[in-house]
Amino acid sequence: GAVVSQHPSRVICKSGTSVKIECRSLDFQATTMFWYRQFPKQSLMLMATSNEGSKATYEQGVEKDKFLINHASLTLSTLTVTSAHPEDSSFYICSARAAGLGNTIYFGEGSWLTVV
Amino acid sequence: ELKVEQNPLFLSMQEGKNYTIYCNYSTTSDRLYWYRQDPGKSLESLFVLLSNGAVKQEGRLMASLDTKARLSTLHITAAVHDLSATYFCAPSNYGGSQGNLIFGKGTKLSVKP
Repeated sequence: GAVVSQHPSRVICKSGTSVKIECRSLDFQATTMFWYRQFPKQSLMLMATSNEGSKATYEQGVEKDKFLINHASLTLSTLTVTSAHPEDSSFYICSARAAGLGNTIYFGEGSWLTVV
Repeated sequence: ELKVEQNPLFLSMQEGKNYTIYCNYSTTSDRLYWYRQDPGKSLESLFVLLSNGAVKQEGRLMASLDTKARLSTLHITAAVHDLSATYFCAPSNYGGSQGNLIFGKGTKLSVKP
């Protein structure tokens, strides 16, 4: 089946630094990718929708200058958490829409971010 | 705005018993997914339901969709401990941010011997 790969799976960074998370569709092209965050024992909350070659669409309450999303190719979207703070610590999960596979959505393995 | 209600949020079952998880959503959706999540892990896709009356089964799990009632169910038959996990339903936000998925709060299932 279609595979979405996220990297890194775990990252620890210091407060004030930036960290980049990559989301790749390995065997299909994804014109649309989605970024979610999940706090412990909670559900997934959509942060933004990423379209190849255009600006991301952010959900209400998500700071676009803090969570930079770039979707430079049909197989790669990146999320950069800028000037990270401990409250940004969370599980970040990406998903990708496989247009050639009936628009089915596939999820990555997730990335644990800890800001110390 | 699409809203999703899942119930129950917590479910403690004995092995061998049957139970149903319910997922209600508020507006039209063209598809609905069910996912399983184990602690510390990402989502594992269980089912995608595409049409009214769709029913899919895999092992001890069976999912159904009633688009008119805006209701999906996940039925567990003869539960076993390995089914312990959190289960999420997620209808597609038809007409929303390009069909992104909106998640229910999840049902934490614990199957006890």
